[in-house]
Amino acid sequence: DGGITQSPKYLFRKEGQNVTLSCEQNLNHDAMYWYRQDPGQGLRLIYYSQIVNDFQKGDIAEGYSVSREKKESFPLTVTSAQKNPTAFYLCASSMRWGGDTGELFFGEGSRLTVL
Amino acid sequence: QKEVEQNSGPLSVPEGAIASLNCTYSDRGSQSFFWYRQYSGKSPELIMSIYSNGDKEDGRFTAQLNKASQYVSLLIRDSQPSDSATYLCAVRGGGYQKVTFGTGTKLQVIP
Repeated sequence: DGGITQSPKYLFRKEGQNVTLSCEQNLNHDAMYWYRQDPGQGLRLIYYSQIVNDFQKGDIAEGYSVSREKKESFPLTVTSAQKNPTAFYLCASSMRWGGDTGELFFGEGSRLTVL
Repeated sequence: QKEVEQNSGPLSVPEGAIASLNCTYSDRGSQSFFWYRQYSGKSPELIMSIYSNGDKEDGRFTAQLNKASQYVSLLIRDSQPSDSATYLCAVRGGGYQKVTFGTGTKLQVIP
């Protein structure tokens, strides 16, 4: 089955620790995205990548880092510099980054809690 | 001004009625418009996409786009309790094609 796999689904972190959230897709999509969602709020863009070895900051990139070494993978690291990391993290991908297509498809999400 | 704006609701409609959800956006260069449904604790699910002015129908759902007014709407006919969820409007702009989401409208369908 094609899809987007995020892991882990739940993660607990102590303050001062870095954590990495995994996102893998087998849809052969070009673009991948990371969003953050806080309770009762919409999705805010952290980072996005339209091609391997290239990525751009979104609206709330501070305290986060990403890499895109393979088309299938777009891991997100939440660093200790992120002051309020407790949130629901969503990875998405889309087929094209140009033209009038490009619907986003989401993984099931990773819920990070800082203790 | 927020890039994508939605009324947070909740919007309450009786079962069988038409639910009307609205969204405005600020970037006139926006090219693609999406509606997602999100159940509590779950990830968003794409239900409609629209790219040109006018209406697009898919089953009980109709998306409407008016680029001159920078306005997108979603109509849900014959609303069912299972439609109760938060509906997110998303807009793909020009340039680097990032996708921006509104904060969502919570819909409650009352049996």
